[in-house]
Amino acid sequence: EAQVTQNPRYLITVTGKKLTVTCSQNMNHEYMSWYRQDPGLGLRQIYYSMNVEVTDKGDVPEGYKVSRKEKRNFPLILESPSPNQTSLYFCASSLTLPSEKLFFGSGTQLSVL
Amino acid sequence: DQQVKQNSPSLSVQEGRISILNCDYTNSMFDYFLWYKKYPAEGPTFLISISSIKDKNEDGRFTVFLNKSAKHLSLHIVPSQPGDSAVYFCAAMMGNQFYFGTGTSLTVIP
Repeated sequence: EAQVTQNPRYLITVTGKKLTVTCSQNMNHEYMSWYRQDPGLGLRQIYYSMNVEVTDKGDVPEGYKVSRKEKRNFPLILESPSPNQTSLYFCASSLTLPSEKLFFGSGTQLSVL
Repeated sequence: DQQVKQNSPSLSVQEGRISILNCDYTNSMFDYFLWYKKYPAEGPTFLISISSIKDKNEDGRFTVFLNKSAKHLSLHIVPSQPGDSAVYFCAAMMGNQFYFGTGTSLTVIP
């Protein structure tokens, strides 16, 4: 089944404790990206990657890191999480751009205490 | 600053009637416009899109209209069905980046 898989689904952590949210797709997609969803702000793009070893900042990259060492994986790293990073995170992928059809994962609800 | 705006947080429509969801944007450089539907506890799913060089795109019960002079996008659902009840996000593309609106929660009343 074609899908984007995010893990974990829920995560509660404390300020400053490094964490990684994994994202994997099985569709051989070149484009992958991360978003956060906050009430009243919609979905905002954090980082995106056009292909292996090619990443770029989105609208709200501060406090986040990403890597794209393999085509299928695009982990989101929070080196020192803070409470303002409490949010619902989505990973998405697309075959290529400007193909606009993004496939989204089911989301990761992160709470930073 | 929000470049894509959905000013109606919610909308209720009777089953069988038309649902019209609206979206405004500020940047005339956007290439594509898209609508996504989101159910609770799931990721958004693609619904329909339109290129900036067109003014209408239709797919079954869903039609998207683009008014570039007004920087306005709308999604029409006809006829509306209870299964259409979800949050709808409009989005715009510029280069390799996506910009999403805040979402409109649609409730279709049986």
